[in-house]
Amino acid sequence: NAGVTQTPKFQVLKTGQSMTLQCAQDMNHEYMSWYRQDPGMGLRLIHYSVGAGITDQGEVPNGYNVSRSTTEDFPLRLLSAAPSQTSVYFCASRDIAGTSGNTIYFGEGSWLTVV
Amino acid sequence: AQTVTQSQPEMSVQEAETVTLSCTYDTSESDYYLFWYKQPPSRQMILVIRQEAYKQQNATENRFSVNFQKAAKSFSLKISDSQLGDAAMYFCAYRKYNAGNMLTFGGGTRLMVKP
Repeated sequence: NAGVTQTPKFQVLKTGQSMTLQCAQDMNHEYMSWYRQDPGMGLRLIHYSVGAGITDQGEVPNGYNVSRSTTEDFPLRLLSAAPSQTSVYFCASRDIAGTSGNTIYFGEGSWLTVV
Repeated sequence: AQTVTQSQPEMSVQEAETVTLSCTYDTSESDYYLFWYKQPPSRQMILVIRQEAYKQQNATENRFSVNFQKAAKSFSLKISDSQLGDAAMYFCAYRKYNAGNMLTFGGGTRLMVKP
């Protein structure tokens, strides 16, 4: 059971480039979300999904797109990278209910630097 | 919108002593969850403790306990018998009852443990 897997772990981008951060979970969780963590701050919600085919914006969605074609995968796309998007990105998932329904599982983070 | 405030950017404690980290939040909801997460230098998000707002009893997990004051919207974390491995960033987080895995985080408190 791998939990929440994020790739890549480290990435350097040039301003204007696009890229996709991958997130996969093998726990059949309905809820998935992406957060960013800037230096010295807490995590902020970028986008979230309550199930396959359903996504919505969080607190800081500008410059990012998401899709949820399967329950397992929730990729985050940076459309045109900017230095302000330099951050650590976390993917998280949660089951709807059950014994683990209140536990949110986080990936290990993806460190992105935009130069 | 909900906000979470951690007023102590840094705290230090002597090994084996007790320390309390503060957190206040603002919400108009009556049903919600509160969490404390630990983030070591690896950036992994580790759940320390969880409190359901409808429960009057304060949550405890081994050396970690909370003081939940619903009317005052206060949620402090007490770490007893502090250990060197407790040194990390600690984040307080809030989730509305039916809000999937959408967390609102405080800005964090860096805890240093002195041998």
